[in-house]
Amino acid sequence: QKEVEQNSGPLSVPEGAIASLNCTYSDRGSQSFFWYRQYSGKSPELIMSIYSNGDKEDGRFTAQLNKASQYVSLLIRDSQPSDSATYLCAVIGSSNTGKLIFGQGTTLQVKP
Amino acid sequence: NAGVTQTPKFRILKIGQSMTLQCTQDMNHNYMYWYRQDPGMGLKLIYYSVGAGITDKGEVPNGYNVSRSTTEDFPLRLELAAPSQTSVYFCASSYPPPRPPYEQYFGPGTRLTVT
Repeated sequence: QKEVEQNSGPLSVPEGAIASLNCTYSDRGSQSFFWYRQYSGKSPELIMSIYSNGDKEDGRFTAQLNKASQYVSLLIRDSQPSDSATYLCAVIGSSNTGKLIFGQGTTLQVKP
Repeated sequence: NAGVTQTPKFRILKIGQSMTLQCTQDMNHNYMYWYRQDPGMGLKLIYYSVGAGITDKGEVPNGYNVSRSTTEDFPLRLELAAPSQTSVYFCASSYPPPRPPYEQYFGPGTRLTVT
């Protein structure tokens, strides 16, 4: 089992819809969770971090964390074509050394 | 404020050559990291450093070396380049806890091809 798993997609949604991206992780003691957005040929950009169970909202983005079920998700409301990118889920494991473990990423396509 | 900078942007190496990828950050971050990203994959940690003079191996350290003589700089050395090292290399930095713990900020990357 991979440490951090994401569906590679592509996930295709129409403009204005809600995009839902999911991520599961294997280390039950994981402490910190991050979503990065990566446009083709560019570096990852941090868009959300979440550290406790529940929802965290920032503009059109909502991160959801459920430690009991070991999943973290990212919702993007009112999706725009400019949201088309690869979204990387990353986790700090229970060793809490600062080492991020990345999933392989989910490609999102928002169609006008 | 430049953030994290990396040089060069692109490089082609012949098998067996060596090179150093440069990384500099101006945010006074203690923690710095080197990752590689192969096509269609997530990022894998090569080496990291929690401060000047302190480095440790990540998930895929073989074929690479690092040093950290200053807070700002964290160069990555490739010795005896192999085709398997063809990848995009990203440097990142972060504050240590308790400041937003481990939120890492990435440089623009170096695209390396070994032929």
